[in-house]
Formats: sequence, C-alpha cells, structure tokens
Amino acid sequence: DQQVKQNSPSLSVQEGRISILNCDYTNSMFDYFLWYKKYPAEGPTFLISISSIKDKNEDGRFTVFLNKSAKHLSLHIVPSQPGDSAVYFCAARIRTASKLTFGTGTRLQVTL
Amino acid sequence: DTEVTQTPKHLVMGMTNKKSLKCEQHMGHRAMYWYKQKAKKPPELMFVYSYEKLSINESVPSRFSPECPNSSLLNLHLHALQPEDSALYLCASSHAFPWGRQDEQYFGPGTRLTVT
Repeated sequence: DQQVKQNSPSLSVQEGRISILNCDYTNSMFDYFLWYKKYPAEGPTFLISISSIKDKNEDGRFTVFLNKSAKHLSLHIVPSQPGDSAVYFCAARIRTASKLTFGTGTRLQVTL
Repeated sequence: DTEVTQTPKHLVMGMTNKKSLKCEQHMGHRAMYWYKQKAKKPPELMFVYSYEKLSINESVPSRFSPECPNSSLLNLHLHALQPEDSALYLCASSHAFPWGRQDEQYFGPGTRLTVT
C-alpha cells in the first residue's frame, strides 16, 4: 500500500526553465510534508517542508504547494540549474509521529 | 553542524559474519533512525530511537539489532544476514517529540552493504 506516490519516475528540463515535481498521498492523517534531494551514493538532503495549515512555502528557488482537498503537493524549482539534477523524494508524516513515509522518487535531469 | 556521519562507507560480509554499522550526530537531536534503501526504491524505516529508547521497530528481522549507547551514537548490529539484505543503510536524526518547531530529519551518507 503506497501511501505517498510520485507518478513520474523521471523529468527532463532545460536549464533556466521551471521544474515541477508532483506528489500525491492517500492518508488524510498526514499533516506535514517534506521534499528531499538525493545524489547517487549520498544520503537524502532536506530541501523544504510545508505544514498542512499552509498552502505554500517558499525558500529561494524552491516553492512547495499543498492542495489538501486533492491530497496533492508539488515542488517548483525556478530557475532550474544543472546542479539540481538528482532524485527528488517527497515524504509525509503525521505531525505527532516520527515516521516519515517516502514516495518512490522522481529523477530530475536539468539539461544545458 | 548539520552533519550525520556513518561508518563504514562500504561493507562486504558473508552470511555467517557479525558486523556493526555506526552512526553519529552532534546536533543535539534526541531521535535517531535507521532506514534501508534498495536500488530505485524509497528509503524504508527500520527503527526509531527516541531519547535513547527504542520507540519504533518496523517488524525488522532479529538478525538486525539496533543499539543507542548515548544521545549521539546509534549502532546497527548485523548477524547471519541474507544476500537480499544487501542495500544502502541510512541513519538519520531529528529533534524528538515534543518538537519546538517544524522539524526535519537529517540523513547520513549511508553504508553500502553487500552480503555474499
């Protein structure tokens, strides 16, 4: 039972354009969402998070949008840079619990 | 310092060996985690320690034995593993409940384990 899904296994975007990575969840108890970036042979690196009381959180080039009614979140990266090429995982958590449930990941390739 | 360190980086062990993975953090975090990640899959939670006590065991086989000797260290003892246990083992840490702020888990680089 995959409670957090990233339906696009890969995405290719030109440098300077916007990258949009999507994530859907099924568990309505989730109320805190995070995005992680992972390079090969490294651990995931935290990027940005959002609480369910918000619908948008912005940090530099990264913005996360949350649509609770649709149980959908997205990560926007603008402008995209070659160094952004990595696998991106969304993750969800119930606020009072420690367990993170990860999505399956989307491989982003930013081309020159 | 937002670093979680893990040793060794790579480990090859036979099915009859006993080995240990080590994890260390100095961020004052009181929650520490072990995850297992297979190729092209998301990380899967194995264990959570909160205030040095085991709080979550995700039905992990007993051939994996976690230990939290103090608030900065987390070990994973391995014994009689199977080839299908080959994976990247990730350690993470975070503030523990009750959190003072919205909180995230910081991950180490992982130990690449191969069981032969």
